[in-house]
Amino acid sequence: EIVMTQSPATLSVSPGERATLSCRASQSVSSNLAWYQQKPGQAPRLLIYGASTRATGIPARFSGSGSGTEFTLTISSLQSEDFAVYYCQQYNNWPPGGIAFGQGTRLEIK
Amino acid sequence: QVQLQESGPGLVKPSETLSLTCAVSDYSISSGYSWGWIRQPPGKGLEWIGSIHHSGSTDYNPSLKSRVTISVDTSKNQFSLKVTSVTAADTAVYYCARLGRTGASAGTLDSWGQGTLVTVSS
Repeated sequence: EIVMTQSPATLSVSPGERATLSCRASQSVSSNLAWYQQKPGQAPRLLIYGASTRATGIPARFSGSGSGTEFTLTISSLQSEDFAVYYCQQYNNWPPGGIAFGQGTRLEIK
Repeated sequence: QVQLQESGPGLVKPSETLSLTCAVSDYSISSGYSWGWIRQPPGKGLEWIGSIHHSGSTDYNPSLKSRVTISVDTSKNQFSLKVTSVTAADTAVYYCARLGRTGASAGTLDSWGQGTLVTVSS
């Protein structure tokens, strides 16, 4: 079972600044890593897949990088609507095999 | 744009079976894709439950596998979730979603329902 660990649990950043969120896998997931954004009372929204490809309609200020076990989501020039909880998800060898989420990083306004 | 909508009882008694349905619109399930269930306990993170391919093959979270069944009804364009022997720990918002099927997106959750809260309590 692959365990996903996100850091930090909470990140405080000022609007207009850059945010960097990390995700680590307990074993290699190649580039089979996605990022989601979740706002209060809403379902998660897919931001990034394949570690670095933006999903349809996602602004260019969102970027993903990494492979293997270490991944990063970067949000350049934070907008007010970007303050939310972010989850990483691995889907290596699916199907079959597991899909697993990280525990989330809460991005809050500083 | 595919639409997904969960439905089912909002309250289930301990030891009973939780049953939810996800209705899919603006896309025919039998045309392809896999369809999944995810849950989120109040104030906590996301937990993968499992998925079903339109052909009927399934994949479950090992930690839930003994209690979970996911099925598909292509005639009604919907898929369903059953969780047996529920406890308070199964209280969560339950989401249905579509999984991507091509290349690097296979296994990602590209469309989600709005979620439905299921509370396990006597």
